[in-house]
Order: sequence, then C-alpha cells, then structure tokens
Amino acid sequence: QQQVKQSPQSLIVQKGGIPIINCAYENTAFDYFPWYQQFPGKGPALLIAIRPDVSEKKEGRFTISFNKSAKQFSLHIMDSQPGDSATYFCAASTRSTDKLIFGTGTRLQVFP
Amino acid sequence: DAMVIQNPRYQVTQFGKPVTLSCSQTLNHNVMYWYQQKSSQAPKLLFHYYDKDFNNEADTPDNFQSRRPNTSFCFLDIRSPGLGDAAMYLCATSRDPTEQYEQYFGPGTRLTVT
Repeated sequence: QQQVKQSPQSLIVQKGGIPIINCAYENTAFDYFPWYQQFPGKGPALLIAIRPDVSEKKEGRFTISFNKSAKQFSLHIMDSQPGDSATYFCAASTRSTDKLIFGTGTRLQVFP
Repeated sequence: DAMVIQNPRYQVTQFGKPVTLSCSQTLNHNVMYWYQQKSSQAPKLLFHYYDKDFNNEADTPDNFQSRRPNTSFCFLDIRSPGLGDAAMYLCATSRDPTEQYEQYFGPGTRLTVT
C-alpha cells in the first residue's frame, strides 16, 4: 500500500517530442505528489508537485495530470530538449508520515 | 545561495574501515534526511532527524549511525563498510515534517568500498 509504481523504466524521444511518465498508487491517504529530476552525479531536485484536489498543473514545459479516481498521475514534458535528459522520480507523501515514497524512476534520453 | 553541502564528494574506504560522511545546510531547515542510492534505483531512506529527534527506518542496518550536533550539520557513520554499502549517499532537508514532499538534496557522496 505504501508503494508508488512508475513506468516506463526508460524512455527515448527525439527533440520536440512529448515524453510521458506514469505513476500509480494505492494508498488514498497520500496527499501530495511531487516529481523529482536527477541528473547524473547530482542529487534529485524538486521539479513540480500536485495535490489530489487538482487535476492538472503546469510549470513551463512540465505538466502533471492527476486522476484521483484511477489513483494515477503522470508527467508530460512538452517540446522536450536534450537538456531534459535525466532520471525522473515520482513520489508521494502524507501528512501522517514525515517521508517521501519514491517511484522506481524513469531514465529519459532526448536526442537532437 | 542557501544550499545543502556534502563532503567529501567521493570517498574510498577499505572493507571494514569506519567512514564518516558529512552534510551541512544553510537553509535553516528543521529536518535532515540521509538516503542511500544505488545505481539505477530510487533513493532509499536510511533515517532522518526532526530537530534532534532521531527516526530510524526499520530496515536500516545497525552498521549505519547518524549524528546531528546542531541544526546545520548532520553526519552519517558507517561502522564497518561492506562491499554492498558502495553507493551514492544523499543528504536532504525539509523545512519541517509537514513539508516532507519538498526536500532539498545535496550533490551526494559517492562511496567506494575496496
């Protein structure tokens, strides 16, 4: 119940494409869903986050879509660039615990 | 710039030789976390501090210890490193436990065990 399932494990797109990364959860107590971006040799960095009372959130080229009834959420990267090549982790948290539950990660490669 | 700093960035130790990794933060955050991340895996939480209150994850081996002498600093001690402890160790902070979804990570320390 504490797991967050993430897919695909890896993704290759051409520049300008729209990669989509999907996550699913079981625990309905989760109340915050952040996405973290990690470049090789660096720590993860918060990219964008959403609460379950919102169905979509956009920040620049990054959009989270959230489907509360299906217990799924996804990250879309519009007009992807080679600089977006990184590993992306979805995560979930609840106010009752003081930690993040990470998905397994998706390695994205964007080719010119 | 406010940040999370980890030293050293790369650490090589011998099998069984104790090693200490350090983390400092200028964000004045109340919570500090230590994660272990192995290649192509998600970060795995080892433990965290809320102020001076220590919270150990149930599956963190006894070989791993931590100290937080003040708000700014936190240390990870590995008492007898094994080959399986080779990994990236990440320190992170959050303002307080209710904001655990927004964590600020340091660049990590890559530990090699020979």
